[in-house]
Amino acid sequence: QSALTQPASVSGSPGQSITISCTGTSSDVGGYNYVSWYQQHPGKAPKLMIYDVSNRPSGVSNRFSGSKSGNTASLTISGLQAEDEADYYCSSYTSSSIVVFGGGTKLTVL
Amino acid sequence: QVQLVQSGAEVKKPGASVKVSCKASGYTFTSYYMHWVRQAPGQGLEWMGIINPSGGSTSYAQKFQGRVTMTRDTSTSTVYMELSSLRSEDTAVYYCALPYDYGDCWAFDIWGQGTMVTVSS
Repeated sequence: QSALTQPASVSGSPGQSITISCTGTSSDVGGYNYVSWYQQHPGKAPKLMIYDVSNRPSGVSNRFSGSKSGNTASLTISGLQAEDEADYYCSSYTSSSIVVFGGGTKLTVL
Repeated sequence: QVQLVQSGAEVKKPGASVKVSCKASGYTFTSYYMHWVRQAPGQGLEWMGIINPSGGSTSYAQKFQGRVTMTRDTSTSTVYMELSSLRSEDTAVYYCALPYDYGDCWAFDIWGQGTMVTVSS
């Protein structure tokens, strides 16, 4: 099972919006609504930001939103803040009954 | 509150085995699956497998088949991940991860603090 494809890096200025893509196949992202997104700051454990494609856990800012079209899921962060600078990972359930992660995207807030 | 506390850092020689523990508290241990995820230095997240603490059934990523064993002890609410035939590429932080609050067995909202395993001769 190959990893999901994410851009290695994205950047934006404070207040702007950015979108991170996560591309898989019909056997993972495209086939199930079990896409999650995680935020990870250096030296910390990942934090769940989005589950089931577009749902936000309690306590996560509504500046974070998720969506999916075909085999590609997306995470959008609006009103960028300095604290959003982190690594972001997508994940998906697959037809093999396993989880596959994306390679991760480093978000830089300029 | 729901909490996962993992065992401490380990240094192992190539070819050895390591067993990492993850002690759960704050919820009914047998009601939720537990996953293991690892992260090599400077690299991304990698799913290793899942255990059902109720019956002990497991499912492992193909990459780790034959080298990984996940077990649980219901008397202490602890899950274990043992990785054998260690090589330098197994140097990583190992996390236990719990899909607890959102009805999705594949979204991990609770994470252990991580256990650093270093494989070096």
